Amino acid sequence: ETGVTQTPRHLVMGMTNKKSLKCEQHLGHNAMYWYKQSAKKPLELMFVYNFKEQTENNSVPSRFSPECPNSSHLFLHLHTLQPEDSALYLCASSLPTVMETQYFGPGTRLLVL
Amino acid sequence: EDKVVQSPLSLVVHEGDTVTLNCSYEVTNFRSLLWYKQEKKAPTFLFMLTSSGIEKKSGRLSSILDKKELFSILNITATQTGDSAVYLCAVERETSGSRLTFGEGTQLTVNP
Repeated sequence: ETGVTQTPRHLVMGMTNKKSLKCEQHLGHNAMYWYKQSAKKPLELMFVYNFKEQTENNSVPSRFSPECPNSSHLFLHLHTLQPEDSALYLCASSLPTVMETQYFGPGTRLLVL
Repeated sequence: EDKVVQSPLSLVVHEGDTVTLNCSYEVTNFRSLLWYKQEKKAPTFLFMLTSSGIEKKSGRLSSILDKKELFSILNITATQTGDSAVYLCAVERETSGSRLTFGEGTQLTVNP
């Protein structure tokens, strides 16, 4: 079991729904990440937070809204998603100064109908 | 734009075979190359490579980096069915915040 947890593990939502994905890490890290993994595509970095500050937004549509209230928690708020947003959403964390291993959570499998 | 290309995309072998997975990259301000193993969902870390020509080993797995030719290989000897997974290669850029660019992955299937 890794030190990064994600909830829910599975989510089905309609295009008009609003939902949130949650990530929590207990590794003492200060950097957290959201990745999107679509079928047959490379893992895509979406957002990076260092010490609760967003340092990277990789041209992600505004229907995805991240929130990092503290170094241990990261949220991804979802609204008016499209079917093509269906994917596995992975959260990861790392130490920001020793930029090497990122530890991944189990992911949330999202299906948008 | 950073680019990572893995080959082959898919590989099926029998137990006991040796496999070599390839990863080539183009990245501005290269810092490191990482290999991950992904079974079912979350990737798990295997190796981080920063210097050319130094082989890293962990049991039956080994990896090496060539910074001149911009590629890395991951070798798995005496494969077992438990090695079946997607192997992801990622490159990290020298930047103020960690940023990984991943390849598509190689789907390895090891049959009994």
